[in-house]
Amino acid sequence: QQQVKQSPQSLIVQKGGISIINCAYENTAFDYFPWYQQFPGKGPALLIAIRPDVSEKKEGRFTISFNKSAKQFSLHIMDSQPGDSATYFCAASQNSGGYQKVTFGTGTKLQVIP
Amino acid sequence: SAVISQKPSRDICQRGTSLTIQCQVDSQVTMMFWYRQQPGQSLTLIATANQGSEATYESGFVIDKFPISRPNLTFSTLTVSNMSPEDSSIYLCSAYRGAQFFGPGTRLTVL
Repeated sequence: QQQVKQSPQSLIVQKGGISIINCAYENTAFDYFPWYQQFPGKGPALLIAIRPDVSEKKEGRFTISFNKSAKQFSLHIMDSQPGDSATYFCAASQNSGGYQKVTFGTGTKLQVIP
Repeated sequence: SAVISQKPSRDICQRGTSLTIQCQVDSQVTMMFWYRQQPGQSLTLIATANQGSEATYESGFVIDKFPISRPNLTFSTLTVSNMSPEDSSIYLCSAYRGAQFFGPGTRLTVL
């Protein structure tokens, strides 16, 4: 059972445009929502994260919007650049025996074209 | 954050053999994790490794196939045993320090 649904599977955006990736979850025990960026041949890198008591978090060109009642969250990449071309994974985690157990979305392959 | 290195970065192995992947973290962490990632797919948790105790395996993964060692707070190994072509994948080590941080992965091809 997929606990974190992510869409779209792939995304093509013009340079300078806004990239938007959406995720939805079912488990209300999730209490931490990170986004990871993965370039080909590399491990996922933590990009930005949010807790459910906050509706929005911005770091540079990256913004997470969080809707607790709808159990949805999204990543917005403003002024998208070719260097942003990567696969993005949303994730949700919950406390499990003293650590955060992470459930990953299915990933979105972003291509930013010049 | 945590800086994580893995060895080897890639390997090509014969069916029936075993490969041990090493994971080193730059400082002490309590929890380490091993994931598998098929090309173009999401991450699947294999097991959680807590120093000083047996690893906890996720459904579908067993210790005989994926034995894990965790001898200290900065190091872990994952062995892929009796390999078949279906084991061809990227294996990722991760450590928890406020969030999960990942190593660069080991790309395994089994012929």
